[in-house]
Amino acid sequence: EDQVTQSPEALRLQEGESSSLNCSYTVSGLRGLFWYRQDPGKGPEFLFTLYSAGEEKEKERLKATLTKKESFLHITAPKPEDSATYLCAVRASGGSYIPTFGRGTSLIVHP
Amino acid sequence: DTGVSQNPRHKITKRGQNVTFRCDPISEHNRLYWYRQTLGQGPEFLTYFQNEAQLEKSRLLSDRFSAERPKGSFSTLEIQRTEQGDSAMYLCASSLTSGRGNTGELFFGEGSRLTVL
Repeated sequence: EDQVTQSPEALRLQEGESSSLNCSYTVSGLRGLFWYRQDPGKGPEFLFTLYSAGEEKEKERLKATLTKKESFLHITAPKPEDSATYLCAVRASGGSYIPTFGRGTSLIVHP
Repeated sequence: DTGVSQNPRHKITKRGQNVTFRCDPISEHNRLYWYRQTLGQGPEFLTYFQNEAQLEKSRLLSDRFSAERPKGSFSTLEIQRTEQGDSAMYLCASSLTSGRGNTGELFFGEGSRLTVL
């Protein structure tokens, strides 16, 4: 069974204090690892897709990286507006390609 | 706005009542998904459609849940004889399967929050 574990569950940062969120996964044949941002009371918003180990994607203060067992979402010099829950999802081969989500990391950035 | 639209945004009902949620996907997207999310959890897959065909249902989807997507456009999710454990955010998402396959990115709506008293 596909498994996605995110850590930490919650993270509090001061504005400008860089950090990383972790997503470790166990799947039989990765066919995509996805990062989403979710604001309170809203649906998840797509951020990145990574397909193979060594791949990196960047968007503003966010950078996602992928290894064979985990992905990191690096947040450089975060601002209060980066506060949200960040969700990781994986899609495996050999099935219907339905993404399986982790429980997310709740990030709060204090001014 | 051409994003995924869900209605109603909020629904409060008494235990035992039936409720129905509607999802209008992005118009050119042929896949439509329903997920359920409770506080502190990630979205859990319920079911998905490719065009009008319902291709997969999760074990989470009990007999009280039914979903339809007539004509491959909007979709409805009905919950019969609601229970307090059904209280959750019900999320709809859509995606496009092209000739090169489905890249996997899902575009979510704002969700429909159900509270069962």
